[in-house]
Amino acid sequence: GEDVEQSLFLSVREGDSSVINCTYTDSSSTYLYWYKQEPGAGLQLLTYIFSNMDMKQDQRLTVLLNKKDKHLSLRIADTQTGDSAIYFCAEKGQGGKLIFGQGTELSVKP
Amino acid sequence: DVKVTQSSRYLVKRTGEKVFLECVQDMDHENMFWYRQDPGLGLRLIYFSYDVKMKEKGDIPEGYSVSREKKERFSLILESASTNQTSMYLCASEGIILGAFFGQGTRLTVV
Repeated sequence: GEDVEQSLFLSVREGDSSVINCTYTDSSSTYLYWYKQEPGAGLQLLTYIFSNMDMKQDQRLTVLLNKKDKHLSLRIADTQTGDSAIYFCAEKGQGGKLIFGQGTELSVKP
Repeated sequence: DVKVTQSSRYLVKRTGEKVFLECVQDMDHENMFWYRQDPGLGLRLIYFSYDVKMKEKGDIPEGYSVSREKKERFSLILESASTNQTSMYLCASEGIILGAFFGQGTRLTVV
């Protein structure tokens, strides 16, 4: 079945780069997503990548996809305190299901 | 902007009650989803629907049912609420544009 795994916590200093990692199991996934959840709010789509791409850059965000290893990462450059949130990786699985990881809580220290 | 609205932010219900959680989207999206979110477990899919009157079980459908009589509305029903259904419930909708859009969530407490 489909499964998405993330580490639960990451702590960085303001101005550093953050790298959040994710592994998934469904090799037929066509799209992979990163979502951000701020305290008390729903999830907000940050970015996505097609499965036939290796990399996508969007301002401070860089998504890397290693399809062979089924590994996805999100790099946030120049991390700010406003980036503190929970980040979810998700894959579009079989039959249209959208499957999420456990979420990585990013803490940015001044 | 896509808007997904969940009927309540906070709900407190008694064990054994029948509970309805409503979700409405305004973008004519085909797909709608219900998740529950628990600390350390992330989002777990309860049910999803890809068209009116169509539904598919997710990973944890037990104790829940859904209704989609109109395209814009997807309801989650707890037939007989139990304390282990205390959670944050998130509704999402998804159309042709990639990515799902989420409501603000309903925090349900069953006492």
